[in-house]
Amino acid sequence: DGGITQSPKYLFRKEGQNVTLSCEQNLNHDAMYWYRQDPGQGLRLIYYSQIVNDFQKGDIAEGYSVSREKKESFPLTVTSAQKNPTAFYLCASSTTGARGEQYFGPGTRLTVT
Amino acid sequence: GQSLEQPSEVTAVEGAIVQINCTYQTSGFYGLSWYQQHDGGAPTFLSYNALDGLEETGRFSSFLSRSDSYGYLLLQELQMKDSASYFCAVNPGGFKTIFGAGTRLFVKA
Repeated sequence: DGGITQSPKYLFRKEGQNVTLSCEQNLNHDAMYWYRQDPGQGLRLIYYSQIVNDFQKGDIAEGYSVSREKKESFPLTVTSAQKNPTAFYLCASSTTGARGEQYFGPGTRLTVT
Repeated sequence: GQSLEQPSEVTAVEGAIVQINCTYQTSGFYGLSWYQQHDGGAPTFLSYNALDGLEETGRFSSFLSRSDSYGYLLLQELQMKDSASYFCAVNPGGFKTIFGAGTRLFVKA
């Protein structure tokens, strides 16, 4: 079955530690995205990538980093510089960029204490 | 700035019709999308309007008026499983999508 996988579903970390969230898709989509969602809020764009080896900052990129070495994979690292990292993180992909339908993974709920 | 406004909550009874409005102010506009998200789950795509008018997909319809910077999602024959959050989203151009804060729909028996 085609889709997007994110792992793990729940992640707990201590303050000051970097943590990497995984996102893999087998939909053959060119574009991939990372969003952050806080309770009762909409989705805010962290980073997006249109093609391999290229990515752009979204609206809240500070404290985050990404890589896109393979078309299928777009991991997100939450660094210790991110002041409020506890949130629900969603990865998405699409064929024609934001004009088209975005397919979302199940999300990773990160808790930092 | 760029913003999307939608009501924070709507309540309706099973079998009824509900309309969720969305107004937007963005630097560019290519289309308006709607997504559904159940608690703890991933958003799923419902519809996309690039041109003025009504798009119908089963019990769900979506409307766009570009001149009014306004759209709505219409849900008919409401079912309990429709209880979820609904997000409007605008593509202002390029590869970005801007999401509204979401409308939480409560369907009562």
